[in-house]
Amino acid sequence: GAVVSQHPSRVICKSGTSVKIECRSLDFQATTMFWYRQFPKQSLMLMATSNEGSKATYEQGVEKDKFLINHASLTLSTLTVTSAHPEDSSFYICSASLAGGSRLFFGEGSRLTVL
Amino acid sequence: DQQVKQNSPSLSVQEGRISILNCDYTNSMFDYFLWYKKYPAEGPTFLISISSIKDKNEDGRFTVFLNKSAKHLSLHIVPSQPGDSAVYFCAASKAGNTPLVFGKGTRLSVIA
Repeated sequence: GAVVSQHPSRVICKSGTSVKIECRSLDFQATTMFWYRQFPKQSLMLMATSNEGSKATYEQGVEKDKFLINHASLTLSTLTVTSAHPEDSSFYICSASLAGGSRLFFGEGSRLTVL
Repeated sequence: DQQVKQNSPSLSVQEGRISILNCDYTNSMFDYFLWYKKYPAEGPTFLISISSIKDKNEDGRFTVFLNKSAKHLSLHIVPSQPGDSAVYFCAASKAGNTPLVFGKGTRLSVIA
């Protein structure tokens, strides 16, 4: 199967700082990547769809100025949580699928803790 | 509105017995269904999937059944093993490269 790698796996930051999370497709090109967020004991909620070379599409209720997504190449998408607050503490997971496929391959996830 | 529902937050099963995890959906446009397994602090890993043109798909100890008229699918694990203990997410998608919609997950505990 395809491999998606995410970094960092764990990050702790102070309130007000910005944190960048990288998502890479290691053995395939991903024109589209999806960013999910999971709060404890909750489902995986789609935050945004990241399209290579164009603007991301955000789900309702997700602030695009707070969660900046950049999909600059076919193998890399980044999520930057700007001016992080404790309520942004969550598990962020990226995913990608092969062209024309419906099966998503997930990264390892990044646990963000904002103090 | 939750389009994919897993109504049982947790399930405990004895080792060697069958585990049955259930999932219901409301959107009739969904045509591809997947089950993912997730350990704490890790990303979900794909387990098994089924297309809407089928009603059953089997892979080793894992079988997924789809009942389109009832908009219901289930994952059977037999025999259950302690290593199967994890959270299982049901997911669905529409045709094309559309994002998956996930249920809330069911935590399976297999007791030795």
